[in-house]
This record gives sequence, structure tokens and C-alpha cells, in this order.
Amino acid sequence: EPEVTQTPSHQVTQMGQEVILRCVPISNHLYFYWYRQILGQKVEFLVSFYNNEISEKSEIFDDQFSVERPDGSNFTLKIRSTKLEDSAMYFCASSEQGGRYEQYFGPGTRLTVT
Amino acid sequence: AQTVTQSQPEMSVQEAETVTLSCTYDTSENNYYLFWYKQPPSRQMILVIRQEAYKQQNATENRFSVNFQKAAKSFSLKISDSQLGDTAMYFCASQGGSEKLVFGKGTKLTVNP
Repeated sequence: EPEVTQTPSHQVTQMGQEVILRCVPISNHLYFYWYRQILGQKVEFLVSFYNNEISEKSEIFDDQFSVERPDGSNFTLKIRSTKLEDSAMYFCASSEQGGRYEQYFGPGTRLTVT
Repeated sequence: AQTVTQSQPEMSVQEAETVTLSCTYDTSENNYYLFWYKQPPSRQMILVIRQEAYKQQNATENRFSVNFQKAAKSFSLKISDSQLGDTAMYFCASQGGSEKLVFGKGTKLTVNP
């Protein structure tokens, strides 16, 4: 069964550094999402992406964040200058269509900012 | 704004028994969806069950069923005949007005042999 994959599984970076988290959505899916979960807190929506554009973003998704689909398979989340509070589990998800279609989640990337 | 609350951080159940996980939500949307996601240890979240708010009938998927009380804004998950493989974090989520999912904090369920 097709799965969403994410790399790396764990990323450690120093404060102020740029990081890129990578995701490979399910191949025929058209809608892509990033969520994050700070340890002990809720899973929070960051951004949704469709047709090479951001369709919705949360207040968390400020100018330090960007997303890109650089080719036909990858979907990336870039954090330009990481802060300690960016330490979290980052989940990528994809869905075949938007709206109420099931979102399939990847296993997550644990980002640790020191 | 949507909010989802799961008041049980942890629960345990004996194998083959039945367990109910609680979830309450709040939304101003008239048309919305509710979900239960399961996240086994070190694995990705997978959808367990989905309920459309305009449907009165409670959703069921094999051993999993929901008790959807729209007026009370309650959406509990019942797992019957619990199995060891049901051990996981369970997240309740809502979706309304946009594509984003709004999650609760999760309930860690342990099924004991």
C-alpha cells in the first residue's frame, strides 16, 4: 500500500540555521500538508498546498517558513532561521483531493534545535 | 475557531474487553467532519473512522464505532474486543470550513494481555 515518506527521521540543528524537511507524498495525491507537534502538545496545522500554491496557512507559518514542490515527487518544508521553539515533530500529509478526503500522514521528522 | 478536547491522557484495557475514548469539540461550522486517527508506536497516523456531521447514524468500522452526540458536541470512540495491536495514541480531530484538521491532545491507549 502506498505510503507518505519523510526524511530525515531525526534532524538536529543549531539555532539560527536553516533546515529543510523532506516528504514524498503518495504519487496520485494532489493536496499536501504540514503539521507539527511540540512535545506534549497538540498536533497543529501549519500549511496546505495545492497546484503549486499555498491554499491555507496558520498563524504559526510565518515568514521563517516556506514550502515547495521542487519536482514531481518531493514536498519540502524549509525553516530559514531555526529557533529553540521550532523543536517539534513535523508531519507531512497528502490527500487525493481536498475537502473531506482522507489525509494520509507520514511517520514524521523529529527536529531538535539546540 | 474549532477546538477539540480529549480529557483522558492515558487509558488501559484488557485484551478482548471494550474501551471508550472520549472527545468533545466546538465549532461554528454547520457542515463538518470528525475523525479518529491512530498512531502506533513509531508509526504514522492512520485514519480509524470518520463521521459526517450531517449524518445522524453513527459510523462503524469493524470493531471500531463512534457515539456521535451532535447537540452535546461529543464524539467518542468505542473499541470492541480490544487487541494488543490496538495499543497506540488515538487522536480525535475535526475538519470544517477548510481542509485543515484540528486535533485533540491524544489519548494513549494500552491493551494489556
